[in-house]
Amino acid sequence: DTGVSQDPRHKITKRGQNVTFRCDPISEHNRLYWYRQTLGQGPEFLTYFQNEAQLEKSRLLSDRFSAERPKGSFSTLEIQRTEQGDSAMYLCASSLVTEAFFGQGTRLTVV
Amino acid sequence: DQQVKQNSPSLSVQEGRISILNCDYTNSMFDYFLWYKKYPAEGPTFLISISSIKDKNEDGRFTVFLNKSAKHLSLHIVPSQPGDSAVYFCAASANRDDKIIFGKGTRLHILP
Repeated sequence: DTGVSQDPRHKITKRGQNVTFRCDPISEHNRLYWYRQTLGQGPEFLTYFQNEAQLEKSRLLSDRFSAERPKGSFSTLEIQRTEQGDSAMYLCASSLVTEAFFGQGTRLTVV
Repeated sequence: DQQVKQNSPSLSVQEGRISILNCDYTNSMFDYFLWYKKYPAEGPTFLISISSIKDKNEDGRFTVFLNKSAKHLSLHIVPSQPGDSAVYFCAASANRDDKIIFGKGTRLHILP
């Protein structure tokens, strides 16, 4: 399967813990995006990379969130000191031009 | 500040008929528009796109129309099939290098 891969698919964590998600994009894609989706909403932009450079971060992304794409290939999204409001589906997408292709997401539940 | 608006949360259409999903945008810098389809527990799937230099793009049963003066686009699905039941997201970007902004989605129900 050469699509976008996200790991884990599901994560349950206690409030205050740190979590890290991984995304492996389609291999020739140079752009990688992170989005968050909650019930009844569309995907909400968090941040994106062109190769290893982080081009933009949403104002919605608090200091507790950090994303990296160290070698321009896979990316990680870390959430420190999780809060219940962080519970959502975290989606990763990659693109070569503009049509972004999404992974199946990581569903985070903070209890 | 919602830059991409899908004002109909849901839409029901008889199988075989035409489904029309609408989308409005506010940012005049947007010049590339996309539609995605999403099933439960899956990531969105790219359907069709259109550049602002065109007013129509067609791919099989799917056609997207763009009215730049009205800042409005629509997705037509004809004929509608049961497998088309899903949530449809309208999305846009300002030049092809920028981030993609999504609407809240419209849930389409295809009735037998």
